[in-house]
Amino acid sequence: GENVEQHPSTLSVQEGDSAVIKCTYSDSASNYFPWYKQELGKRPQLIIDIRSNVGEKKDQRIAVTLNKTAKHFSLHITETQPEDSAVYFCAASRMVSNYKLTFGKGTLLTVNP
Amino acid sequence: EPEVTQTPSHQVTQMGQEVILRCVPISNHLYFYWYRQILGQKVEFLVSFYNNEISEKSEIFDDQFSVERPDGSNFTLKIRSTKLEDSAMYFCASRANSGSEQFFGPGTRLTVL
Repeated sequence: GENVEQHPSTLSVQEGDSAVIKCTYSDSASNYFPWYKQELGKRPQLIIDIRSNVGEKKDQRIAVTLNKTAKHFSLHITETQPEDSAVYFCAASRMVSNYKLTFGKGTLLTVNP
Repeated sequence: EPEVTQTPSHQVTQMGQEVILRCVPISNHLYFYWYRQILGQKVEFLVSFYNNEISEKSEIFDDQFSVERPDGSNFTLKIRSTKLEDSAMYFCASRANSGSEQFFGPGTRLTVL
């Protein structure tokens, strides 16, 4: 089955700096890659996703890149703000029937003012 | 904006007891999921449900687990005889037929003593 590895497990940056979180996946049939943000005590919320037919997607300060050949994808957050502090999870899925998500272990991002 | 809801937020039970975790998916969503997250570990897929039947289940989802959609709004996860290792946060999620995003509930923290 699918296996998703995520690095780093913790990341501390200064406000205004960029943050990059990387994930690799094992199943070459995976073609949908969402990123979820989970603030302390709250539900995971989708912040951006990418499908395998594109290599990059951007939404304001957040971007995701995908390298299908290498089977890795990354989350980029620019101009970080303290409210970006949270745990970020990457996931992989096949866009067939049930879209079962396989998650990475998560990255605790801390943005220091 | 519609949200997935879950009850209770926290459930404490004795080992060997049965528990039922409840979820109300977003109305008009057709795909339902249960995931769990043991403290400090990754979110793991348990089961997916569509058209009143299980579409996929993981190795974790053994005979002690069952799911049901007893009416048009609720989606439940039952653990027949809880074990200490069932202690975790259980997340319900739902997805629309036309979309790829899974919307997560706030979770139920299950503590087995």
